Amino acid sequence: GENVEQHPSTLSVQEGDSAVIKCTYSDSASNYFPWYKQELGKRPQLIIDIRSNVGEKKDQRIAVTLNKTAKHFSLHITETQPEDSAVYFCAASLTGGGNKLTFGTGTQLKVEL
Amino acid sequence: KAGVTQTPRYLIKTRGQQVTLSCSPISGHRSVSWYQQTPGQGLQFLFEYFSETQRNKGNFPGRFSGRQFSNSRSEMNVSTLELGDSALYLCASSIQGADGEQYFGPGTRLTVT
Repeated sequence: GENVEQHPSTLSVQEGDSAVIKCTYSDSASNYFPWYKQELGKRPQLIIDIRSNVGEKKDQRIAVTLNKTAKHFSLHITETQPEDSAVYFCAASLTGGGNKLTFGTGTQLKVEL
Repeated sequence: KAGVTQTPRYLIKTRGQQVTLSCSPISGHRSVSWYQQTPGQGLQFLFEYFSETQRNKGNFPGRFSGRQFSNSRSEMNVSTLELGDSALYLCASSIQGADGEQYFGPGTRLTVT
């Protein structure tokens, strides 16, 4: 089945710096890649997603890039703020797999003042 | 629109007992997926229901089961509870049949003693 690896497991940045989280997936049939943010004690929140027919997508300070050849995708957060501190999860969904998501192991992002 | 809701929010059970968790999706969403979240295993897919039919199943024992009703509300049941079943159980709903944006509920925190 699908396997998603996520790095790094923890990331500490200064406020205003950029943060990059990378994920690699195993099955080339994967076609949908969402990113979730989970604050402590809260539900995972969908922050951005990308589909396999698109190479890059941006939403204000957040962007996601997809490299289908290398089977990896990345989350980029610019001008980080303290409220960006949370655990971020990447996920992948296989074509024909309905809405089944395989998640990465998460990245704890800490934005320091 | 109201978000995804789950009941109960917290549950304490004893080994060997069974438990039923409930999930009400966003109005109009016909797909409901269930995930188990633990510190050690992360977010793992349990199963997905769409129009009252189970479409996908993760790698969990048969003690884990679910169903979906005609109004798209879903329940999951865990029988013969084990200590290792202690986890946050999250459901997510999607309006799309596949590769759809999934929105999570707040989860049910199950503790097995």
